[in-house]
Amino acid sequence: GDSVTQMEGPVTLSEEAFLTINCTYTATGYPSLFWYVQYPGEGLQLLLKATKADDKGSNKGFEATYRKETTSFHLEKGSVQVSDSAVYFCALSTSGYNKLIFGAGTRLAVHP
Amino acid sequence: DADVTQTPRNRITKTGKRIMLECSQTKGHDRMYWYRQDPGLGLRLIYYSFDVKDINKGEISDGYSVSRQAQAKFSLSLESAIPNQTALYFCATSDFDRAETQYFGPGTRLLVL
Repeated sequence: GDSVTQMEGPVTLSEEAFLTINCTYTATGYPSLFWYVQYPGEGLQLLLKATKADDKGSNKGFEATYRKETTSFHLEKGSVQVSDSAVYFCALSTSGYNKLIFGAGTRLAVHP
Repeated sequence: DADVTQTPRNRITKTGKRIMLECSQTKGHDRMYWYRQDPGLGLRLIYYSFDVKDINKGEISDGYSVSRQAQAKFSLSLESAIPNQTALYFCATSDFDRAETQYFGPGTRLLVL
């Protein structure tokens, strides 16, 4: 079945460091890909998405490119801030079903 | 005011008790979902509803039931709670036209003793 695998955390970085969180997927058909973020004590929020191969999603300085050849959707940010500390979830949705399949989540902690 | 609200936010109950978690939304969305979150497992879909008359089982529906009382309300019930149902529960909604973007409530933390 369809699945999402993302790097285990926690990821601990200093402020202004470069961030990469790896995400790979397995899916039949042509999924849409998402990154959701969960701040402490809150529900998940959509961070960015891409709906077809080679699309780049971006928001709040975060970027991810849909790579069909490597079945990947890695999240990157050039300079993280303390306020980026959260849990990040990679997810996919297969066309027509509108059901999200989530990875296990990666906790990011950014220190001053 | 929050668009998707969940009550209660925290609940402690005992094994065998019946418990209901409620979700309300003011976004006007047709589609509603219930997920549970466990450490290291991400979110898993329990039930989903595409409109008031449409209820579907998700990945892990055993031990749970739902009721879609209105477009804006979707309740999750545990008929006889057990300890391995201790988890964080999230309700989410999505629009038919932008169905792939889901909006989540703040979650209900449930502890079953």
